[in-house]
Amino acid sequence: QSVLTQPPSVSGAPGQRVTISCTGSSSNIGAGYDVHWYQQVPGTAPKLFIYGNNNRPLGVPDRFSGSKSGTSASLAITGLQAEDEADYYCQSYDSGLSGFYVFGTGTKVTVL
Amino acid sequence: VQLVESGGGLVQPGGSLRLSCAASGFTFSNYWMSWVRQAPGKGLEWVANIKQDGSAKYYVDSVKGRFTISKDNAKNSLYLQMNSLRGEDTAVYYCARGPDSSWSPFEYWGQGTLVTVSS
Repeated sequence: QSVLTQPPSVSGAPGQRVTISCTGSSSNIGAGYDVHWYQQVPGTAPKLFIYGNNNRPLGVPDRFSGSKSGTSASLAITGLQAEDEADYYCQSYDSGLSGFYVFGTGTKVTVL
Repeated sequence: VQLVESGGGLVQPGGSLRLSCAASGFTFSNYWMSWVRQAPGKGLEWVANIKQDGSAKYYVDSVKGRFTISKDNAKNSLYLQMNSLRGEDTAVYYCARGPDSSWSPFEYWGQGTLVTVSS
């Protein structure tokens, strides 16, 4: 059971901006733990796309950006491209009963 | 950085399986390592992690007492011994580097190995 909630799907036309929310609680995001985002193309392994709330690893396009506020975080994709179609997961740490590292429910991004 | 899992397969409920992860391209002994799983059509779930020298190990509640994580720094290898397997353990199991702290991400992932628990 995921303790971080994401919308099941978001979609947009090429060139548009889409955002994915990640809602947590006072024992994870709200406790100050960083949020990280992973991209998973169906049939492949997840890949780190945003770390430490708003940092991009080398090779990740700058149209991807992250933010965090209170008990939530967001991933924004500006200038949506066909290659961005994938599943995206947020991840943080939880100090509560669920224990340790927690992932979001996942969001499917569809490029129309 | 390369992580290559092996050892998955079909096993009956109550059976055992040992997964391996061969690491290369970095100093394996310097990093925490983890196992993360993904049930078919479902999301990601952290399973277990182990400290650099193997002195600390942590597990998600659902596998405590059944799974054991270990690492052999001399062989640059990570392992997951899975006993008393259940249907709900069916998943692709990924080996991942990190996290090194409560604020760190899973930096690199292997390609995964599929474990199917079924009679």
